[in-house]
Amino acid sequence: KQEVTQIPAALSVPEGENLVLNCSFTDSAIYNLQWFRQDPGKGLTSLLLIQSSQREQTSGRLNASLDKSSGRSTLYIAASQPGDSATYLCAVVNTDKLIFGTGTRLQVFP
Amino acid sequence: DAGVIQSPRHEVTEMGQEVTLRCKPISGHNSLFWYRQTMMRGLELLIYFNNNVPIDDSGMPEDRFSAKMPNASFSTLKIQPSEPRDSAVYFCASTRQGASGYTFGSGTRLTVV
Repeated sequence: KQEVTQIPAALSVPEGENLVLNCSFTDSAIYNLQWFRQDPGKGLTSLLLIQSSQREQTSGRLNASLDKSSGRSTLYIAASQPGDSATYLCAVVNTDKLIFGTGTRLQVFP
Repeated sequence: DAGVIQSPRHEVTEMGQEVTLRCKPISGHNSLFWYRQTMMRGLELLIYFNNNVPIDDSGMPEDRFSAKMPNASFSTLKIQPSEPRDSAVYFCASTRQGASGYTFGSGTRLTVV
């Protein structure tokens, strides 16, 4: 059974810092991996999608990497801003099903 | 595209009443998923459909829950009778199988009193 873990569970940093959020999964036979953002009381917004054949994806200040063999993905946020405050969720696709991690709650203060 | 559309956005109902949640997936997407999110359990997959056919309903908590997808553009999740422990946010998501990431709707916040 696929299990997805995210570390840290919560993170509070001053504005401007570069951040690394970690995601690990137990079954490396994934189809792809997707990072989402969720603001309080809101839905999920897709940030980055990494296909299993890819090593990384970039969008603006966000960069996500994937190492299938070690069962790990990292989300790198450069020059963090207060508007980045949200919960970040990692999810992997196994046999058509999207399985979520527990999330990292990020707070960026001015 | 308007994205995945869910209705209603909020639902407050009394215990024992029937609740129906609705979802319209993105046009061209052939897989549809229903998730439930609570503080205690996070995001749980309830059921998913491929080409309108239910594939895996192992996440449906009990017989009070049922889901249908009568056509490619509409799905419902029904709870009958509802109980307070069903209170949660229910999300619908869709994807084009084998080709794209998942897109989520804005969710339905259900409160059963």
